[in-house]
Amino acid sequence: EIVLTQSPATLSLSPGERATLSCRASQSVSSYLAWYQQKPGQAPRLLIYDASNRATGIPARFSGSGSGTDFTLTISSLEPEDFAVYYCQQRSIWPWTFGQGTKVEIK
Amino acid sequence: EVQLLDSGGGLVQPGGSLRLSCAASGFTFNNYAMTWVRQAPGRGLEWVSTISASGLSTFYADSVKGRFTISRDNSKNTLYLQMNSLGAEDSALYFCAKSLEYQTVAGSFDSWGQGTLVTVSS
Repeated sequence: EIVLTQSPATLSLSPGERATLSCRASQSVSSYLAWYQQKPGQAPRLLIYDASNRATGIPARFSGSGSGTDFTLTISSLEPEDFAVYYCQQRSIWPWTFGQGTKVEIK
Repeated sequence: EVQLLDSGGGLVQPGGSLRLSCAASGFTFNNYAMTWVRQAPGRGLEWVSTISASGLSTFYADSVKGRFTISRDNSKNTLYLQMNSLGAEDSALYFCAKSLEYQTVAGSFDSWGQGTLVTVSS
């Protein structure tokens, strides 16, 4: 199975700062990678699909890039509501797998 | 507005069974593949199972294959997960999720239920 490794595990930043989250796949997933945001007590929310496409209603400060094995989620300027856990997920090869998550916390 | 309402979770003894349901509304249910994803307390997300829009194709994680059965009733707009031979490792919050893509078994999930908690314990 494809292992997705997210880094860092925790990112401590202040509102207004730029956040850069990484997701590395153990083998190529082409561009079949999504990013989700999850807040405590809530279901995940789709942010980015197919590496770089913003889902409906997602603000432009969220962007995704990458292909093959290396992917990045960038939040250009953190808003208070952006502090959450972020997961990457691949749909290239069964079984579909998720990364272990990156927590973005307030510094 | 898309709504997914998960239900059926609860406390079950090891070796027991449970059936989860996910009632869907706000979209044409029979046009989209559906998926179950679980999350153990304090842990990350784990894909469990997917069913095609028609219900003819099903897919399972190795950890549940042979014990869990995914199904759907398109006339009732409802997704199911029959879980048998449950063990402590199956304790988790179970989410149903709708595929983003139309009429395709493809794994980006644009709508999620609120989750239903399954606890396996004696």
